[in-house]
Amino acid sequence: GENVEQHPSTLSVQEGDSAVIKCTYSDSASNYFPWYKQELGKRPQLIIDIRSNVGEKKDQRIAVTLNKTAKHFSLHITETQPEDSAVYFCAAKGGGGNKLTFGTGTQLKVEL
Amino acid sequence: EAGVAQSPRYKIIEKRQSVAFWCNPISGHATLYWYQQILGQGPKLLIQFQNNGVVDDSQLPKDRFSAERLKGVDSTLKIQPAKLEDSAVYLCASSLEGVSYQETQYFGPGTRLLVL
Repeated sequence: GENVEQHPSTLSVQEGDSAVIKCTYSDSASNYFPWYKQELGKRPQLIIDIRSNVGEKKDQRIAVTLNKTAKHFSLHITETQPEDSAVYFCAAKGGGGNKLTFGTGTQLKVEL
Repeated sequence: EAGVAQSPRYKIIEKRQSVAFWCNPISGHATLYWYQQILGQGPKLLIQFQNNGVVDDSQLPKDRFSAERLKGVDSTLKIQPAKLEDSAVYLCASSLEGVSYQETQYFGPGTRLLVL
């Protein structure tokens, strides 16, 4: 089955700096890669996603890049703000169904 | 639009007791998922329904966990008997369909279960 690895597990940045979170996946047939943000005690919320036919997608301060050859994808947050502090999860959907496999999460802390 | 609803929000039980969780997906969403999220980990899929049929239950501990989705709308997840290691947040999610471009999953607030 699919295996998703996520790094780093914790990330601390100064307000205004950029943050990058990286994930790798194992199933070359995976074709859908969402990113979720989860604040403490709350539900995961989709912040951006990318499909395998696209190499990069951007939405305001958030961007995701996908390298199918290397089987890795990354989340980039620019001009970080304190409200960006949360746990971020990457996920990958295998080609054989709609099963999402999640990474282990990255605790992002944006310091003033 | 209304989001995914779950109840209860919190539950404390003793080991070997039984517990049930309820989920109401977003109206019109054919696909429903139950995830288990252990503290410090990502959500792990337990079972996926397409309408009222099971699509994937490969990671559901069937000796103690069961789930149903009667009439293809609401769903219940049951644990009987509960073990200490079942302590986790149980998340329900739904998507319009399971196919490409309609697969975005929307999560409910979760039920936090503590087994003592």
